[in-house]
Amino acid sequence: DTGVSQDPRHKITKRGQNVTFRCDPISEHNRLYWYRQTLGQGPEFLTYFQNEAQLEKSRLLSDRFSAERPKGSFSTLEIQRTEQGDSAMYLCASRRLAGGHLAKNIQYFGAGTRLSVL
Amino acid sequence: AQSVTQPDIHITVSEGASLELRCNYSYGATPYLFWYVQSPGQGLQLLLKYFSGDTLVQGIKGFEAEFKRSQSSFNLRKPSVHWSDAAEYFCAVASGAGGTSYGKLTFGQGTILTVHP
Repeated sequence: DTGVSQDPRHKITKRGQNVTFRCDPISEHNRLYWYRQTLGQGPEFLTYFQNEAQLEKSRLLSDRFSAERPKGSFSTLEIQRTEQGDSAMYLCASRRLAGGHLAKNIQYFGAGTRLSVL
Repeated sequence: AQSVTQPDIHITVSEGASLELRCNYSYGATPYLFWYVQSPGQGLQLLLKYFSGDTLVQGIKGFEAEFKRSQSSFNLRKPSVHWSDAAEYFCAVASGAGGTSYGKLTFGQGTILTVHP
């Protein structure tokens, strides 16, 4: 496995601009998760995909946020009209569908995209 | 709703000393429990996990954790800390212990470990 890849690693933007992050999961991992981590806190769940279907969204995911996984492989997270409160680390994780195999119920994390909104 | 509490925000130990990081969880069913470590500016690396069976689980880098259902705890331990262990440690619980849910992780707020030489 090549690991979960996230791009870019760092993004600095001005308030009001739109930003898009990309996540490439481990191949054949059909579940993909997005989390947000603010300074001094643990990651918080944002949304999750099973293949191309977005099955759950947190209340943290306001209308300005949208996530896609068009072909069930890579995913994008877009934030429109960024606000200073959006400054955080955005983490992506992937895992296999467990299917009764507990050993596979593990999420592997990427290095994250750190967003700074000025 | 599930939750995780890590009572210690910051712990300082001397190199070679033993370590215990506390974690308490709240979850209605049998939990899936994890410890992750995060170095500055990096993602999360899995140290160990508990799904079922033996309540003492071994992980990477010499870490172990013990699941105590009666205390709703999953404390992380290491007998002798190395300077390279300095990082932030997160305890997490996964939803869907019955294998039917989507496995969302709920994290504690983390414990920062400082190691003195």
